[in-house]
Amino acid sequence: AQKITQTQPGMFVQEKEAVTLDCTYDTSDPSYGLFWYKQPSSGEMIFLIYQGSYDQQNATEGRYSLNFQKARKSANLVISASQLGDSAMYFCAMRERNSGNTPLVFGKGTRLSVIA
Amino acid sequence: DSGVTQTPKHLITATGQRVTLRCSPRSGDLSVYWYQQSLDQGLQFLIQYYNGEERAKGNILERFSAQQFPDLHSELNLSSLELGDSALYFCASSAVIGGPNTGELFFGEGSRLTVL
Repeated sequence: AQKITQTQPGMFVQEKEAVTLDCTYDTSDPSYGLFWYKQPSSGEMIFLIYQGSYDQQNATEGRYSLNFQKARKSANLVISASQLGDSAMYFCAMRERNSGNTPLVFGKGTRLSVIA
Repeated sequence: DSGVTQTPKHLITATGQRVTLRCSPRSGDLSVYWYQQSLDQGLQFLIQYYNGEERAKGNILERFSAQQFPDLHSELNLSSLELGDSALYFCASSAVIGGPNTGELFFGEGSRLTVL
């Protein structure tokens, strides 16, 4: 069963607008971590933001925020004030058993294109 | 710069051949992870090492093997290569989780393997 689902293969957003990238996850582990990564066309993987399953508040990092809805098992990434440099693939990932060094499981990604 | 170094960056070889990909983790990181990213796909977890020992295994083919050496660098060996093995191979490392450390993975720039 797929643990991370990103239902939007591609998204377009106007420059300076906000955009939400969807991510749902599946786990029975009460302790888990959720991560978002950005992969520009150059190929490197850039860590953006993290949300722990026990965190009370939604994570924020600059223009990135994570809309964490635990009951719905969703962890959507919100990018505010989009910039042309935000055009990239975005991957949602999860780690189960968040107390140890275990691998991240990635979704298939969403390709975001920012239009001037 | 993530601090994770991968060599070579690009590799072109023929079917049936064997290649070795090398990874040096961030200074102090004990965990090394290998991921495979095929064209327009998400990242597939292959294998994880922690302080020299195999910690977790994912969808790694029997033709592939890896090891982590006492100096913590890791090598991924791919043998009897097939056309379908063409992909971007990422190495990532992480610190021990605790305190403010969220355990995110720090990725190298990847080794792009082309099998002809």
